[in-house]
Amino acid sequence: GENVEQHPSTLSVQEGDSAVIKCTYSDSASNYFPWYKQELGKGPQLIIDIRSNVGEKKDQRIAVTLNKTAKHFSLHITETQPEDSAVYFCAASRRQLTFGSGTQLTVLP
Amino acid sequence: EAGVTQFPSHSVIEKGQTVTLRCDPISGHDNLYWYRRVMGKEIKFLLHFVKESKQDESGMPNNRFLAERTGGTYSTLKVQPAELEDSGVYFCASSFTGDTEAFFGQGTRLTVV
Repeated sequence: GENVEQHPSTLSVQEGDSAVIKCTYSDSASNYFPWYKQELGKGPQLIIDIRSNVGEKKDQRIAVTLNKTAKHFSLHITETQPEDSAVYFCAASRRQLTFGSGTQLTVLP
Repeated sequence: EAGVTQFPSHSVIEKGQTVTLRCDPISGHDNLYWYRRVMGKEIKFLLHFVKESKQDESGMPNNRFLAERTGGTYSTLKVQPAELEDSGVYFCASSFTGDTEAFFGQGTRLTVV
């Protein structure tokens, strides 16, 4: 089955700096790669996603890149703000979502 | 529009007892998924319903777990009897089709003592 590895497990950045979270996947048939943000006491919320026919997607301060050959994808958050602090999960999907282990992002004011 | 709702939000039960978790998906979403996050690890897939049918239950850990979705609306996940290792946060998600965005509920935190 699919296996998704996510790094780093924790990440602290200064407000205004950029944050990058990286994931690798094992199943070359996976074709959908969403990123979820989970705040305390809430369920995961989709923040951006990318499909296998696209290499990069951007939405304001958030961007995702996908390298299908290397089977890795990354989340980039620019101009980080304290409200970006949360746990971020990557996932890969062919039929159902397989999640990474999560990254606790802390944005220091 | 109401999102995915789960009940209860927290449950503390003793080992050997039974617990039933409920999930109400977004109206019109045929696809319903159960996931579990144990002890800060990754969120793991449990099973997938399409309407009332189990499409994929490969992630169900053992036969102490029973999921149902009678009528293709809400779903229940019963754990009987509960064991200590069942503690974790159980998430439900729903989507319109199998390859569109999945919306998650807030989760049920289950603690087995």
